[in-house]
Amino acid sequence: DAMVIQNPRYQVTQFGKPVTLSCSQTLNHNVMYWYQQKSSQAPKLLFHYYDKDFNNEADTPDNFQSRRPNTSFCFLDIRSPGLGDAAMYLCATSRTGTEEQYFGPGTRLTVT
Amino acid sequence: GQNIDQPTEMTATEGAIVQINCTYQTSGFNGLFWYQQHAGEAPTFLSYNVLDGLEEKGRFSSFLSRSKGYSYLLLKELQMKDSASYLCAVRTDSWGKFQFGAGTQVVVTP
Repeated sequence: DAMVIQNPRYQVTQFGKPVTLSCSQTLNHNVMYWYQQKSSQAPKLLFHYYDKDFNNEADTPDNFQSRRPNTSFCFLDIRSPGLGDAAMYLCATSRTGTEEQYFGPGTRLTVT
Repeated sequence: GQNIDQPTEMTATEGAIVQINCTYQTSGFNGLFWYQQHAGEAPTFLSYNVLDGLEEKGRFSSFLSRSKGYSYLLLKELQMKDSASYLCAVRTDSWGKFQFGAGTQVVVTP
């Protein structure tokens, strides 16, 4: 089945230790998104790519970076995680950006 | 600023109908989407409106009034499995940028 896959599902990292979250998709969608979602809050858009065109939200901290080496894969790098970065990180895709988004299962990040 | 407002929580009885309202003020509008999110899981797509009016999909219907910046999601014949958070999301540009509301937690009781 075509899908959006996120690895790992659960990630524990230490304060200040870099961490990378990965997302892959078999849907061949042009648009990929990274969201941060904290408990009982709205998903907050961090970045999105339309093909290779990168769009960074103005309020996304510099601590967060992203890479999309090809259509299928996208990575979220957190250079120096703080306690406030503990959250669920959701990857999503959309075929053209005009249609609904398909979400991966998320990676729950814990910072100790 | 940009706002998408939804009630925090609603409770309804199995078999009943619940209407979840969403009001929005965003810099752009290219469609309104509703997603369902069970606790600890990813959101899943329910419904989409880009023109004014009602869209019906089985037990779920969604309504949009662009002039009023208002949408609602109607859940009919509620089932226990419908207990979840329902997220209203606005696509704010033509490239696929979305802004989400905080979600409405629906609790279905026997």
